[in-house]
Order: sequence, then structure tokens, then C-alpha cells
Amino acid sequence: NAGVTQTPKFQVLKTGQSMTLQCAQDMNHEYMSWYRQDPGMGLRLIHYSVGAGITDQGEVPNGYNVSRSTTEDFPLRLLSAAPSQTSVYFCASSYSTTGGAGGYTFGSGTRLTVV
Amino acid sequence: EDQVTQSPEALRLQEGESSSLNCSYTVSGLRGLFWYRQDPGKGPEFLFTLYSAGEEKEKERLKATLTKKESFLHITAPKPEDSATYLCAVQADAQGAQKLVFGQGTRLTINP
Repeated sequence: NAGVTQTPKFQVLKTGQSMTLQCAQDMNHEYMSWYRQDPGMGLRLIHYSVGAGITDQGEVPNGYNVSRSTTEDFPLRLLSAAPSQTSVYFCASSYSTTGGAGGYTFGSGTRLTVV
Repeated sequence: EDQVTQSPEALRLQEGESSSLNCSYTVSGLRGLFWYRQDPGKGPEFLFTLYSAGEEKEKERLKATLTKKESFLHITAPKPEDSATYLCAVQADAQGAQKLVFGQGTRLTINP
């Protein structure tokens, strides 16, 4: 089925470990982004990309790295996990960089716990 | 600073009892306002995009409206399957076109 695929769905890390959250879309969308969702707070933008080879920071980029080598994939790397990075992470994509009439398509999320 | 505030935080209705959810926003220049639905354990699902004051969009039992300061999501004769968290987000000039600012959401429960 067409859409945004995130892996893994659940992950537990120890403080200081690194890992990569995977995101892939098969809709040929140019725009991709990563959000985190915490209780009592709205979704907050971490990083985004408007096309292969182009990335930029969002509202809360510290502690995260991204790259965009292909149109389909947009992995999010945690360099040295901290308990403050415990959250649910969502990847989103869109045909238009402005979201447009069709909005963004979100993946089903990765629930990350850092202990 | 661009801000989005949704109210109420939670709303419990009986099946068939119509109501409205509110999204108030403060932005430097609105490019678009989005409504999403989110079910537990899932990602947000797109509902509507509104671009200018006076615009309205409808989908089944939902209707979204937009003024210069707020948006409403009207739910008419809701059913239990309408239970979800509803998220509002804005895209503003100052942020750059690629960025959305989300509200905290309204958790809606429809009792049969």
C-alpha cells in the first residue's frame, strides 16, 4: 500500500546509545519531515527536507541528524540518546513543499524510550 | 511567535449530540490551516486545508470553518467512530512555507 513506512515501531535505548529511525515513502513526494509528539505538547518539527540532498532544521533539531540521499528515504539519527528524547516520532511527506490541498501524509510512528 | 491553541482539551458527547472544536491562532501571515484526526497509536490523518477567512470545507459529519483569528471544526450528529484526537496546525510566512505549528489537540469521545 502506498504511504509512509516507519521502522521500528517500538525501541528502547540506553542513555548514550545511538540509533537510526527509518522512514520511507513510495508516493514520489519531494517534501519529507520528522516530528516528535510529547504528552501535553503539540507535534514539533525536528528536521525537514524539500528534496534529495537538501535538509534543514526545524524547531527542535538538537541531538538529531538527518540526510536525504534519495527521494524515497529520510532517516533520523540519534547521536547519543538522552532520556529527554523519549517520545513518539512521526515522519511525514507531501507532494508539495507547502502541504497544499492534500496536506501531509504521516507514518504510524516510532515509540522510543531512553532509559 | 506563532502560536496555536485548541480548546477544549477534552470533550465528551453523546451519540448524535452536535458540537464544535476551536482552534485559535496567532501568526504573522497565514498560508494555510490544517485539520488532522489522530487515533490512539497511529499517525495523524489529513482532514482539511483552509486558506482564507470565510472558507469552509465539509466531509461527512465534519465541517471546518476559518476566520482571521480562529478555526472551528463542527461535528454534526457524531457517531462513536468519530472518537479521536483532532489536531489543528498552521503554516505561516515567517516560519517558511515548509513548517507547520501544531496545537495540542482536542480529545473527543462519543458515547453510544
